Amino acid sequence: GEDVEQSLFLSVREGDSSVINCTYTDSSSTYLYWYKQEPGAGLQLLTYIFSNMDMKQDQRLTVLLNKKDKHLSLRIADTQTGDSAIYFCAERLNQAGTALIFGKGTTLSVSS
Amino acid sequence: DTEVTQTPKHLVMGMTNKKSLKCEQHMGHRAMYWYKQKAKKPPELMFVYSYEKLSINESVPSRFSPECPNSSLLNLHLHALQPEDSALYLCASSQGTGSNGYTFGSGTRLTVV
Repeated sequence: GEDVEQSLFLSVREGDSSVINCTYTDSSSTYLYWYKQEPGAGLQLLTYIFSNMDMKQDQRLTVLLNKKDKHLSLRIADTQTGDSAIYFCAERLNQAGTALIFGKGTTLSVSS
Repeated sequence: DTEVTQTPKHLVMGMTNKKSLKCEQHMGHRAMYWYKQKAKKPPELMFVYSYEKLSINESVPSRFSPECPNSSLLNLHLHALQPEDSALYLCASSQGTGSNGYTFGSGTRLTVV
């Protein structure tokens, strides 16, 4: 079955870089996504990457995609306390129509 | 309008009640979704509507009944729920082609007592 894996916790100091990792299962996934969820809030799309790309940069965010290893990472430069949240990677599975399937989420804790 | 609006934001209901959750979008998206999210867990797909037709039902109990009256609205009718159904219910929409077209609402936090 489909399974998207993430490490559960990451703790960093303010100003450091954070790297959140994800492995996915469906090699035919066309798009992969990163979502942020703050306590008590809904899901906020941070960025996405198309499967024919290796890297995408968007301000402080860098997404790296290794299709061979089915590995996706999100790097947050100059991490701030406001970045503390749960980060979900998600893949769009062809057999689930257009629906997103989410990883278990990584809780990022940023200390000052 | 680039939002998905969900109402109500909070709902407390008894196990014998009937209630409905509502979701609305005016972005012209033709796919709409219901997800259920328990605390500190990932969203779990419940239903997918594509062009107003139910395309996926992820083995959801019949006490949850989705409805898509038109391309902008998605409802989730609730009846005879159990306390373990308490969760955040998220609605999302997309253009149906992937890319960056997925937009999530802020959710309805449901408590079943």
